[in-house]
Amino acid sequence: EDQVTQSPEALRLQEGESSSLNCSYTVSGLRGLFWYRQDPGKGPEFLFTLYSAGEEKEKERLKATLTKKESFLHITAPKPEDSATYLCAVSGGSYIPTFGRGTSLIVHP
Amino acid sequence: KAGVTQTPRYLIKTRGQQVTLSCSPISGHRSVSWYQQTPGQGLQFLFEYFSETQRNKGNFPGRFSGRQFSNSRSEMNVSTLELGDSALYLCASSAQGTGANVLTFGAGSRLTVL
Repeated sequence: EDQVTQSPEALRLQEGESSSLNCSYTVSGLRGLFWYRQDPGKGPEFLFTLYSAGEEKEKERLKATLTKKESFLHITAPKPEDSATYLCAVSGGSYIPTFGRGTSLIVHP
Repeated sequence: KAGVTQTPRYLIKTRGQQVTLSCSPISGHRSVSWYQQTPGQGLQFLFEYFSETQRNKGNFPGRFSGRQFSNSRSEMNVSTLELGDSALYLCASSAQGTGANVLTFGAGSRLTVL
């Protein structure tokens, strides 16, 4: 059974204070690891897909990295508008996406 | 380009009733998948439909069912509602399915069971 564990559950940062979110996973035959952002009252919004260990992707202040056991979402100099819940998901041989419970990020001005 | 549309956005039901939720995917997307999101369990996969056929099913009881129409619009139904069914129900569409493909989510239908 595929499993995804995200840590920390909640994270409070000051504006400009860089940090990282962790996503540990076990999956049979990784097809893709996904990061989504979810704002209150909305559905998740796609950020990144990573397919193999060593891969990295960047978008504005966000950078996602992947190893064989975990993925990190690095947030550099965050702004209050980066406040959201960040979800990690894996898709493996079963084609059924498995999501973590998310990290709730609050960035204070 | 229109996004994924879910209706209704909010609804309140009582135990024992049934509910039907609707999802209109992005034009051209043939895959629609459904998820239940609760604070305790997070986001859990219910099922996926692709070209009117159920392709995958999560670990939910038979009270949860769905279907997809020829225009790719999808509905999910929950019969004999229980208090524990209170949740945000999300649908997502993708061009090729839930494998290694990006999912585009709707805003969800918030179900409250009293």
